Amino acid sequence: DIQMTQSPSTLSASVGDRVTITCRASQSISSWLAWYQQKPGKAPKLLIYKASSLESGVPSRFSGSGSGTEFTLTISSLQPDDFATYYCQQYNSFPWTFGQGTKVEIK
Amino acid sequence: EVQLVDSGGGLVQPGGSLRLSCAASGFTFSSYNMNWVRQAPGKGLEWVSYISSGGTTIYYADSVKGRFTISRDNAKNSLFLQVNSLRDEDTAVYYCARVDPRGDGGYVWDYWGQGTLVTVSS
Repeated sequence: DIQMTQSPSTLSASVGDRVTITCRASQSISSWLAWYQQKPGKAPKLLIYKASSLESGVPSRFSGSGSGTEFTLTISSLQPDDFATYYCQQYNSFPWTFGQGTKVEIK
Repeated sequence: EVQLVDSGGGLVQPGGSLRLSCAASGFTFSSYNMNWVRQAPGKGLEWVSYISSGGTTIYYADSVKGRFTISRDNAKNSLFLQVNSLRDEDTAVYYCARVDPRGDGGYVWDYWGQGTLVTVSS
């Protein structure tokens, strides 16, 4: 199975900050990586697919980059609605696997 | 509007069974592959099972193989997960998720149900 490792596990930031979350795969997954945002009690919401493609309706302050084994999610200017937990997911091969999550908290 | 509505969760004793359902609307259900994903309380996301649009290709996570059965009824726009021989560690919110083909973007999980909670406890 492909292991996905996110860092950091928790991130404290202020509104307006630039935030970067890293996701590493245990083997190459090309660009088959998605990023999701999840708020308490809600389903995950797709933000980015194929490592850098922005899902329709997602604000442009979200961006993704990377390929192979190392990927990043960047929020260019953190907004109050962005405080949530973020997960990466590889869809290169079964079993599809997720990172353990990064919680973005208010500083 | 695409909608996925999960139901069927509840409190069940270890060794018990439940049938989870996902009712789909707003899209041609029979054209889409589907997944079940779960999330234990306070934990991360775990893929559980996959079924192709016609039901001919099915995969399971090792943690549920032999105990869970995924199925679908395309005439009724519904996805199911029969969960048997439940264990404490199966306690989780179960989500259905649609798999959308994005051409060179691959197969993306774009819509999710709201989840249904399964609690395994004596």
